[in-house]
Amino acid sequence: AQSVTQLDSQVPVFEEAPVELRCNYSSSVSVYLFWYVQYPNQGLQLLLKYLSGSTLVKGINGFEAEFNKSQTSFHLRKPSVHISDTAEYFCAVSEGSGYSTLTFGKGTMLLVSP
Amino acid sequence: DVKVTQSSRYLVKRTGEKVFLECVQDMDHENMFWYRQDPGLGLRLIYFSYDVKMKEKGDIPEGYSVSREKKERFSLILESASTNQTSMYLCASSFGQGAFGELFFGEGSRLTVL
Repeated sequence: AQSVTQLDSQVPVFEEAPVELRCNYSSSVSVYLFWYVQYPNQGLQLLLKYLSGSTLVKGINGFEAEFNKSQTSFHLRKPSVHISDTAEYFCAVSEGSGYSTLTFGKGTMLLVSP
Repeated sequence: DVKVTQSSRYLVKRTGEKVFLECVQDMDHENMFWYRQDPGLGLRLIYFSYDVKMKEKGDIPEGYSVSREKKERFSLILESASTNQTSMYLCASSFGQGAFGELFFGEGSRLTVL
């Protein structure tokens, strides 16, 4: 069975600073990896995804993530955050074949202050 | 744009009541999902459906049932609501066979059971 660990429940950062949100997964098979973002009082929306190919994936709003198979990680990064990036971020994994549902991590709250 | 609409943003019900949460998507997606979201626990899958009249249990189906009579509509039913079902409920849909993870979410229904 697959699982996802988001190592930080909350990450405070100042505006214009870089940020990394950490995600590790566990699976016995090949996987697809995702980051979703949830702004206050809204549903989740897809930020970026890794299905295959280049291990560096670029998403919306200047975010990127790198798939590291040997370390089973998929950390999310942004070189310079804005106040508007304040949101909860969820890492998710699904098995790379057949009917496979998403397993979500517990989320990381990114708090950007001026 | 894909739109997933949940019928109620906020509901307050009493213990023992039967509760219906409705979800409609307008993009002809095959797959529909119900998650519950709780602080510190992330998203947990309750039920999902890959086709009309078809349903599969997720990770936490106890106390819930679902109905999918039409492709665009997926209903979550709490037969006898209990206080531990107070939560945010998120509906999602996706296209195609298998779950490649690009889920489109509704804005959520926050249920309080008194």
